[in-house]
Amino acid sequence: QQKVQQSPESLSVPEGGMASLNCTSSDRNFQYFWWYRQHSGEGPKALMSIFSDGDKKEGRFTAHLNKASLHVSLHIRDSQPSDSALYFCAASDTGYQNFYFGKGTSLTVIP
Amino acid sequence: GPKVLQIPSHQIIDMGQMVTLNCDPVSNHLYFYWYKQILGQQMEFLVNFYNGKVMEKSKLFKDQFSVERPDGSYFTLKIQPTALEDSAVYFCASSLDWGGAGEQYFGPGTRLTVL
Repeated sequence: QQKVQQSPESLSVPEGGMASLNCTSSDRNFQYFWWYRQHSGEGPKALMSIFSDGDKKEGRFTAHLNKASLHVSLHIRDSQPSDSALYFCAASDTGYQNFYFGKGTSLTVIP
Repeated sequence: GPKVLQIPSHQIIDMGQMVTLNCDPVSNHLYFYWYKQILGQQMEFLVNFYNGKVMEKSKLFKDQFSVERPDGSYFTLKIQPTALEDSAVYFCASSLDWGGAGEQYFGPGTRLTVL
C-alpha cells in the first residue's frame, strides 16, 4: 500500500491561473511534509516544506496541512509556463530520515 | 544553488554483471541517500548513510546492494550481481541535517538498464 497518494495525476491550467495539487498520507506518524518539483532531465528540487497545521505561503506558492485528515495541498497562484513540471509530495516520520514519495502530479501551464 | 552530481547518466549492462553508480554530493553535507524509481511508479527509499555507516535501509536494499564513500570521495551504490528487476532510475541525495525537517538535495539520476 502506498503511504503517500497524490491527485490528480495530471493537471493543465492556463497561464495566470491557479493550480491545486493534493496529497494524502496513510501514516499518522508522518510529521514532516515537503513538496518537490522536478523538471524534465533534472532531479527533484525542494519547493517548500510544511510541518504545522495551517497555511504556509512562499511567493506564489501556498501549502496547506491538515494533520487530522493527513492531507496536504499545494496551490500555485498566477501559474507560469516555467511551473510546468512534475510535482512530488514527500512525507517523513519522526526519528527517521527517509522520505516517502507520492507518484507525482504532472502540471502543464498553457501559455 | 547546491548541486548533487551523478555519474553516469545512463548505464546499460547485462544481467549478472556488477555496476557502480556514482554520486558527488553537496560538499558540506553529512547525510547521503539512494532512492529507486521504476518507470511510472513513485520514488522509493533504498538506504541512507552517515559517518561511514548505513543508518537505515529498506526492504528494497537487497543483499546484492552495497554503499560506501571512501575518503570523502564519491558516494557509491554497487549492485553485484545485477538482476532484471534492478532496471530503474536511481537518485542520489544529500542533506546537511538529520531528520525529516532537513531538505534533501537530489541529483539528476542514473538510468540503469539491465538486459
